[in-house]
Amino acid sequence: DVKVTQSSRYLVKRTGEKVFLECVQDMDHENMFWYRQDPGLGLRLIYFSYDVKMKEKGDIPEGYSVSREKKERFSLILESASTNQTSMYLCASSYPGGSGELFFGEGSRLTVL
Amino acid sequence: QKEVEQNSGPLSVPEGAIASLNCTYSDRGSQSFFWYRQYSGKSPELIMSIYSNGDKEDGRFTAQLNKASQYVSLLIRDSQPSDSATYLCAALRNTGKLIFGQGTTLQVKP
Repeated sequence: DVKVTQSSRYLVKRTGEKVFLECVQDMDHENMFWYRQDPGLGLRLIYFSYDVKMKEKGDIPEGYSVSREKKERFSLILESASTNQTSMYLCASSYPGGSGELFFGEGSRLTVL
Repeated sequence: QKEVEQNSGPLSVPEGAIASLNCTYSDRGSQSFFWYRQYSGKSPELIMSIYSNGDKEDGRFTAQLNKASQYVSLLIRDSQPSDSATYLCAALRNTGKLIFGQGTTLQVKP
């Protein structure tokens, strides 16, 4: 079974702190994604990556950056957390070729105070 | 206008009935469509994909696609309480980005 593991299920941070959300997948997938999920807004794509050291902006990249130094690991970085970044963050991976079949991690619920 | 739109619900149906979930999309370049199910407190999981006009059946689930009307639907026959969840419609852009609707919450009442 594909396993996508997110490092933290729950985080509480203060405004202005730097936040790292880590995601690791064990299926050798080329594609990895970060979404955030908010009530009434569904899942919105923040960043995605099709290869190591490669990244592309999604629909809401402002205030976020990503890092993919190894194929299995994709990190989401909030340089200076703000209260409007309080959300559920979901990492996903998929096979190459633009497949719509995503395998999601359990999610990281971030609260910024 | 959102690129993928769903009625957020909740949609309430009695056990054994047919649940009909609908979705519209605005990007005519999208060619592939997906339905994900998300139980409360859990992550989404893929339940159906559809790529061409018409119906696709898998057990109690039928996905329908009408590209001319830019409309996707999911029918769940013989609905069970265990089908109670949020159903997310998604469209795959030709850039490879998967775009989700806001989801429809389904409640199946025993």
